[in-house]
Amino acid sequence: GAGVSQSPSNKVTEKGKDVELRCDPISGHTALYWYRQSLGQGLEFLIYFQGNSAPDKSGLPSDRFSAERTGGSVSTLTIQRTQQEDSAVYLCASSPRRGENTGELFFGEGSRLTVL
Amino acid sequence: GESVGLHLPTLSVQEGDNSIINCAYSNSASDYFIWYKQESGKGPQFIIDIRSNMDKRQGQRVTVLLNKTVKHLSLQIAATQPGDSAVYFCAEKDRAGNMLTFGGGTRLMVKP
Repeated sequence: GAGVSQSPSNKVTEKGKDVELRCDPISGHTALYWYRQSLGQGLEFLIYFQGNSAPDKSGLPSDRFSAERTGGSVSTLTIQRTQQEDSAVYLCASSPRRGENTGELFFGEGSRLTVL
Repeated sequence: GESVGLHLPTLSVQEGDNSIINCAYSNSASDYFIWYKQESGKGPQFIIDIRSNMDKRQGQRVTVLLNKTVKHLSLQIAATQPGDSAVYFCAEKDRAGNMLTFGGGTRLMVKP
C-alpha cells in the first residue's frame, strides 16, 4: 500500500501475556519510529530505527519492551508480560532518509492495545 | 469508541471564524517545528512545518508563527471548517534530528 500499515488495529489481551505489534513502513523509507499515545496524552517516543545503524532505544519505558526491524523494512514491537498501564495506542511512523526531507513523519493508524 | 485526547484542552470556534492554537516548547536547541492534525481513530497527519531561522510560514488556510524569544509556536487556521475538527499537536526536533518530541495537543471543535 501507499501508506504506513499497522497490525493488528485492535488487540485485547490479559495482564501478563506477551503481545506483538507489526509495522510496515512506506516503501523506500529508511527511518522508522514507534510512539505510544495514552488516552488524553500526547505522543511518547519509544524507539527509532535508521537504516543499518543501531536503534535509538532511549524511549522504551522498561525492559519488557523491545523492537526489531528486519531487512530494513518491517518492524515488530514486542511487549512482554503486559500490564494494564501498557494500554494505549501504539503508532508507527516512517520517513525518508535524512537529507531528503525536513523531518516529516508519515504515521500509520495505530494499534490500540487494551490490557485487561 | 473512545477517542484520543478526552482530557486535552479544547478550543471551540464557530464555522468560518479563524482559529489560533498555541504551543510552548522547551528545548532552545530545537531547529525544526511541525504541526500535526489527528482525527479520531487515525494517526497524526502533517500540516505545516517551519525552521528556526524563520518567524512565519504560510500554507493553504494555515499559518505557523514561531517566536524563539519566548519559545512559542502557534497555528492559525483561516475560515475554520467542520473538517478542521481534530486534535492538533506541535512537535519539535533538535539538531541531532533523530526524533520529534510532541506537545500535549489541543482539541479543536468547530460549531456549525
